[in-house]
Amino acid sequence: KNQVEQSPQSLIILEGKNCTLQCNYTVSPFSNLRWYKQDTGRGPVSLTIMTFSENTKSNGRYTATLDADTKQSSLHITASQLSDSASYICVVSARTGGYNKLIFGAGTRLAVHP
Amino acid sequence: GAVVSQHPSWVICKSGTSVKIECRSLDFQATTMFWYRQFPKQSLMLMATSNEGSKATYEQGVEKDKFLINHASLTLSTLTVTSAHPEDSSFYICSARLGGLKLGNQPQHFGDGTRLSIL
Repeated sequence: KNQVEQSPQSLIILEGKNCTLQCNYTVSPFSNLRWYKQDTGRGPVSLTIMTFSENTKSNGRYTATLDADTKQSSLHITASQLSDSASYICVVSARTGGYNKLIFGAGTRLAVHP
Repeated sequence: GAVVSQHPSWVICKSGTSVKIECRSLDFQATTMFWYRQFPKQSLMLMATSNEGSKATYEQGVEKDKFLINHASLTLSTLTVTSAHPEDSSFYICSARLGGLKLGNQPQHFGDGTRLSIL
């Protein structure tokens, strides 16, 4: 069964600190892995998309890593800001029947406190 | 960048009412659009995949007669919740992707969602 598991479920950090969010997946066949940021009451916004051959990808203070062998990904946030408070969703694209289907993780709810 | 506009953003209506939600891709042509449902503190659950000019494909457990989807053009898809009841209250989010389903690495752009509250 295709699954995406994220940890921790929720996290509280102080402004300016770094943090790392984890994503483990059992999705096959793998097509790509995406990280999205979802503010409360808003739609998800794409942060990164990584294919099988990519190990790391950055988008400003966000850096995603991918280990396709262990089927793990992480999202590292550097020098956190209050505006980073949101849910971060790991999404893995599975290629099934010639098409790609997104498998969503439950997300990590990050709260950045002053 | 690509923008997906969803309207309305918030709906409150009485039980038994039908509600239509619009999803538009503003600066690109979306051959494929997706409709999701999200309950509080849970992740997005795919309801159906909509291809322009053809019938939508519904996920298992989603009633196609309850959730009517129309994808009449490359920039517009609509979701109609027919005879809505309190259990249909949720956050509905649409998503659009440039190109067809086989272009798997294309970014998928999300609307800002519609919060539906049925009294």
